[in-house]
Amino acid sequence: GESVGLHLPTLSVQEGDNSIINCAYSNSASDYFIWYKQESGKGPQFIIDIRSNMDKRQGQRVTVLLNKTVKHLSLQIAATQPGDSAVYFCAENLNTGNQFYFGTGTSLTVIP
Amino acid sequence: KAGVTQTPRYLIKTRGQQVTLSCSPISGHRSVSWYQQTPGQGLQFLFEYFSETQRNKGNFPGRFSGRQFSNSRSEMNVSTLELGDSALYLCASSLDSFGDTQYFGPGTRLTVL
Repeated sequence: GESVGLHLPTLSVQEGDNSIINCAYSNSASDYFIWYKQESGKGPQFIIDIRSNMDKRQGQRVTVLLNKTVKHLSLQIAATQPGDSAVYFCAENLNTGNQFYFGTGTSLTVIP
Repeated sequence: KAGVTQTPRYLIKTRGQQVTLSCSPISGHRSVSWYQQTPGQGLQFLFEYFSETQRNKGNFPGRFSGRQFSNSRSEMNVSTLELGDSALYLCASSLDSFGDTQYFGPGTRLTVL
């Protein structure tokens, strides 16, 4: 029969603009979160992480915001570049081991 | 430092066969987790191994199994392959067992005909 894939949210931005990718996580007990970037044909690549005792963390061109009240994560990419085009996943961990739960992902396309 | 390596990168099998995939973690990492990625289900956790012991297991049938060796290298095995097992199988390694950053390998693309 026909396979039905996950509906992947998409985001298109102009090169040089800022991008914001959102993620709603599922478990209020999750205490560690990672954002990954996955390019076609490759494994997920670590971008930035945040623990539940923080609400903001910054890296190079990226910022992660955590709102535990509404169980929401966001990834902000500054000055988006064509090389940022990929699928972005948020992953949550319950600190019961290294079992991470992944969101469905957001496909980011950067328009030159 | 070398990243996570997985072999083989591509594999084609037929229904009913079994397959073994291999993962070498980053040097010094003791935890290895396996995930299945499909267009229909996304990234799903299979199991995690730490110090040769299975620490966590996802919701997959018993046809999916794994093991870890004393050098932290890990293998996963899928027996009696089904068409629905076609997927990208990803291995991730972490330094320790609890809530550590996971780094992924490139994956093994398994196609079941």
